[in-house]
Amino acid sequence: QLQLQESGPGLVKPSETLSLTCTVSGGSISSSNYYWDWIRQPPGKGLEWIGNIYYSGNAFYNPSLKSRVTISVDTSKNQFSLKLSSVTAADTAVYYCTRRRGTYFDSWGQGAPVTVSS
Amino acid sequence: QSALTQPASVSGSPGQAITISCTGTTSDVGGYNYVSWYQQHPGKAPKLMIYEVSNRPSGVSNRFSGSKSGNTASLTISGLQAEDEADYYCTSYTSSNYVFGTGTKVTVL
Repeated sequence: QLQLQESGPGLVKPSETLSLTCTVSGGSISSSNYYWDWIRQPPGKGLEWIGNIYYSGNAFYNPSLKSRVTISVDTSKNQFSLKLSSVTAADTAVYYCTRRRGTYFDSWGQGAPVTVSS
Repeated sequence: QSALTQPASVSGSPGQAITISCTGTTSDVGGYNYVSWYQQHPGKAPKLMIYEVSNRPSGVSNRFSGSKSGNTASLTISGLQAEDEADYYCTSYTSSNYVFGTGTKVTVL
């Protein structure tokens, strides 16, 4: 059974870079059938799509975050990663890594809470 | 891109049917049959309930069904049960991006 697990610092200072990694187990990140996405949810608010990557390295980003986001993949470790630069309090959220099949998110990690605060 | 519009809350009694709407534009909901729905219990990750407007993943109860008309998609829960109390989000594909709905809290009375 596929499992996704987010990892990374739970506290990031304003203006610094948020970095999270998603480790995929029970399946290969190199499968041609899937994309790997990041989605976030601020406290008490709705979901926001951040961006995605394919195993080949092709990435797409939410236009509203594009200037600050980088998503990368390491197929040798079966991992993909998120970097969000110049963070502010508005970036405080639970960050989910997901597997996407076509246009729907069929598997989710448990979520990683990240707080931006000095 | 603006969030898709959902009612903030919907409630119903056990056994009843409720419907949650998800309104977008011709650039998202109305332009593609790529609407999916997610259930989220407090403190948990979202769970896929419906994909491509009306398809149900294996393991999801047939009490959940989806449809679309024009720029509005809908999720219907029939035979409402206590375990259905949760937040529900729609999402739609739109030009290499994905936009989520504002979310609906379902309360079982």
